[in-house]
Amino acid sequence: ETGVTQTPRHLVMGMTNKKSLKCEQHLGHNAMYWYKQSAKKPLELMFVYSLEERVENNSVPSRFSPECPNSSHLFLHLHTLQPEDSALYLCASSRSSDADTQYFGPGTRLTVL
Amino acid sequence: EDQVTQSPEALRLQEGESSSLNCSYTVSGLRGLFWYRQDPGKGPEFLFTLYSAGEEKEKERLKATLTKKESFLHITAPKPEDSATYLCAVRAKETSGSRLTFGEGTQLTVNP
Repeated sequence: ETGVTQTPRHLVMGMTNKKSLKCEQHLGHNAMYWYKQSAKKPLELMFVYSLEERVENNSVPSRFSPECPNSSHLFLHLHTLQPEDSALYLCASSRSSDADTQYFGPGTRLTVL
Repeated sequence: EDQVTQSPEALRLQEGESSSLNCSYTVSGLRGLFWYRQDPGKGPEFLFTLYSAGEEKEKERLKATLTKKESFLHITAPKPEDSATYLCAVRAKETSGSRLTFGEGTQLTVNP
């Protein structure tokens, strides 16, 4: 595997379910990000991790819970989501949190029923 | 607050018909401007970074230029495989972490 990978690629869940999104980067980067992309809206930054420490939480509801066990893996734990949370969730990584270029994974298309 | 506005929202071209996409930005000191390409159902793919007014970068049929207020992505003799959504983003000098502010994108369709 190369670059940034995300699993699953598609996820359908009910509002009472608990699920997790997984991201893995094979680039040797030290910073990882979660973004939300909704139709007709710009990408919204959710969380930033640098060397496994959360450095930014962009006012995201607590029903989204990130976890970064090491610099290569990033998770987004989901619980009691709302239909408006349906979106494409993108993971990205960069050499450091100060680096300019971010490299994105393919995303997880989430549908909340 | 940093802002990025892309125009047009959508653009249809015939194969070989050159055109330009616009990205206007407002930022408190520009650290960098980024162009990405995004295909349907996929994540954004990095194209270019521009750092200062007057800078230009090229890749195949694409050329990105930068002024103090806007950036253009020029597409010369496009092919159907250039069809995608093109995203512009800026990063301010004072930004902590690696915050990028994205525009809504321009959806480009190139017909054969």
